[in-house]
Amino acid sequence: ETGVTQSPTHLIKTRGQQVTLRCSSQSGHNTVSWYQQALGQGPQFIFQYYREEENGRGNFPPRFSGLQFPNYSSELDVNALELDDSALYLCASSLGGGAAPKGATQYFGPGTRLLVL
Amino acid sequence: AQSVTQLGSHVSVSEGALVLLRCNYSSSVPPYLFWYVQYPNQGLQLLLKYTSAATLVKGINGFEAEFKKSETSFHLTKPSAHMRDAAEYFCAVSSTYSSYKLIFGSGTRLLVRP
Repeated sequence: ETGVTQSPTHLIKTRGQQVTLRCSSQSGHNTVSWYQQALGQGPQFIFQYYREEENGRGNFPPRFSGLQFPNYSSELDVNALELDDSALYLCASSLGGGAAPKGATQYFGPGTRLLVL
Repeated sequence: AQSVTQLGSHVSVSEGALVLLRCNYSSSVPPYLFWYVQYPNQGLQLLLKYTSAATLVKGINGFEAEFKKSETSFHLTKPSAHMRDAAEYFCAVSSTYSSYKLIFGSGTRLLVRP
């Protein structure tokens, strides 16, 4: 069973640029959630995708957007990067929808560390 | 709305001592509760979760947690700390009504002294 993978592992961008982060979900999972973890803080929910549709969003501006593909992999896009976007971006996959068990566990990837200069 | 409070940003114990990491939650609906561990420069690994079955939940690496509704708590314990337990620990809450999105606490860094 393949776990959650993310790419790239590290990224350096400058303010105003755009970035795309990628995530491959665990085999059999149809839901992907993205979290932002600033240094010294707990992860903050950005949004979730279920069967290619956005299924919930946290308190993040529209310049944070995403996609989910038919194979359930996902992308997180951030436009007009700001210094405060520097963080570890975590992707988590889970089983959602009617088949989801109670309290469906989210399995996390290793993250992408983004530094905005 | 749901929230999590982790008391103590840092906890230091001696190797072999009891580990107690505190977590209190707030939820207007039946919660699901989780403990995750994060080692340096890594993602999050699930230690254990509560899904309204047994209130005492056993997890990996000898950790366990007890759900106490009257105290709105879900504290994490381990009888005897090992050096390898040194990491950041996060408590999180979710619910059916929030599409299982996780609300995390701010984390507790566990230091284990030799």
